[in-house]
Amino acid sequence: EVQLLESGGGLVQPGGSLRLSCAASGFTFSNYAMGWVRQAPGKGLECVSAISGGGGSTYYADSVKGRFIISRDSSKNTLYLQMSSLRAEDTAVYYCAKAPYSSSPDWFDSWGQGTLVTVSS
Amino acid sequence: EIVMTQSPATLSVSPGERATLSCRASQSVSSNLAWYQQKPGQAPRLLIFGASTRATGIPARFGGSGSGTEFTLTISSLQSEDFAVYYCQQYNNWPRTFGQGTKVEIK
Repeated sequence: EVQLLESGGGLVQPGGSLRLSCAASGFTFSNYAMGWVRQAPGKGLECVSAISGGGGSTYYADSVKGRFIISRDSSKNTLYLQMSSLRAEDTAVYYCAKAPYSSSPDWFDSWGQGTLVTVSS
Repeated sequence: EIVMTQSPATLSVSPGERATLSCRASQSVSSNLAWYQQKPGQAPRLLIFGASTRATGIPARFGGSGSGTEFTLTISSLQSEDFAVYYCQQYNNWPRTFGQGTKVEIK
């Protein structure tokens, strides 16, 4: 059974940094692209970043480009999202999600339960 | 960026009735479209990919159709557990983009 467990969320001041982690189990982690999808309170879904199975290709939404860095460690079966220069509009639940293939983050067939990031002074 | 527009925003349906949800893309996405269901306090759940292929374990009452810019999700006979918010998502281009959601509520 695929399991994705996010951690690292919390309250951070504007301009601050935070690193999210997603521990994956139940599948061969390096064989699948992964992504981070966020949902602001009461709002819809936004795919902010994704990474190929091998880690060689990364993707970012314009809203986070230059501020967020996605990475993965296959030895630890863990996906990361390093977030810096955080803004109030980054406040959201951040979901870790698994894609169906290695090369391209197409749709997402498994999701974690999410971790809440709140950016506020 | 491809903009996905869903309609209606809210759909009021009685249990046992049919629900039809629409999703329109601002440019063609071929058949590269997925649908998700989200219940309050839960993560989204994949229903459909490839515009019409049901994901593993999804009941046959959920059906997807369309290609290009116009897509439809049909729930043939609504069950109590189907009342939720539904999102479409295109994966033809990066960034992957979602519609704003359609809430299916009990009439």
